[in-house]
Amino acid sequence: GAVVSQHPSRVICKSGTSVKIECRSLDFQATTMFWYRQFPKQSLMLMATSNEGSKATYEQGVEKDKFLINHASLTLSTLTVTSAHPEDSSFYICSAPQGAVAYSYNEQFFGPGTRLTVL
Amino acid sequence: DAKTTQPPSMDCAEGRAANLPCNHSTISGNEYVYWYRQIHSQGPQYIIHGLKNNETNEMASLIITEDRKSSTLILPHATLRDTAVYYCIVRVGVGNTPLVFGKGTRLSVIA
Repeated sequence: GAVVSQHPSRVICKSGTSVKIECRSLDFQATTMFWYRQFPKQSLMLMATSNEGSKATYEQGVEKDKFLINHASLTLSTLTVTSAHPEDSSFYICSAPQGAVAYSYNEQFFGPGTRLTVL
Repeated sequence: DAKTTQPPSMDCAEGRAANLPCNHSTISGNEYVYWYRQIHSQGPQYIIHGLKNNETNEMASLIITEDRKSSTLILPHATLRDTAVYYCIVRVGVGNTPLVFGKGTRLSVIA
């Protein structure tokens, strides 16, 4: 299947700093990517939908000014956690659908995740 | 909100078949049933999907009831590496809609 990568896999930062997480589709183009967050022993929660060439769509309760999303190209979306605080510590996962979106089934592929720890 | 209901946990002996149930009584005619699993600290992995017919691939089989209100994922010969959280998700097959995850079933394969 298609491959989605994330970088970094793990990051530790001090409170108040900003952290950028990259999500790349390695062998296919993705006009849309999704960002999820997962706290320990909980399920994945959708944070936002990243759209190439337009603004991201955020789920209710997710601060768009805190979680900046940039879909710079058809293979790259970035999530920047601004002024990170300990409560932002979580596992961040991106996904990208592949396929002829409008006319056929498309499968979603997930990145390996990025574990963020804010001290 | 997730549109599926799954038992929170299950155990299975290594080498035996693991049968994971899922209820999706409000599924719409254009929604597929997807199964993903998540091994600890990794991204979710696609397993299988189906619309109304039973499906089989190299990983698992998916049995969907005739009324499509429930399904069962079958891992024919579970191994220790199959220990994971298994998510049953319903979603339209086309378009860029995201997967909405419920709580899933934590499957423990026991030696």
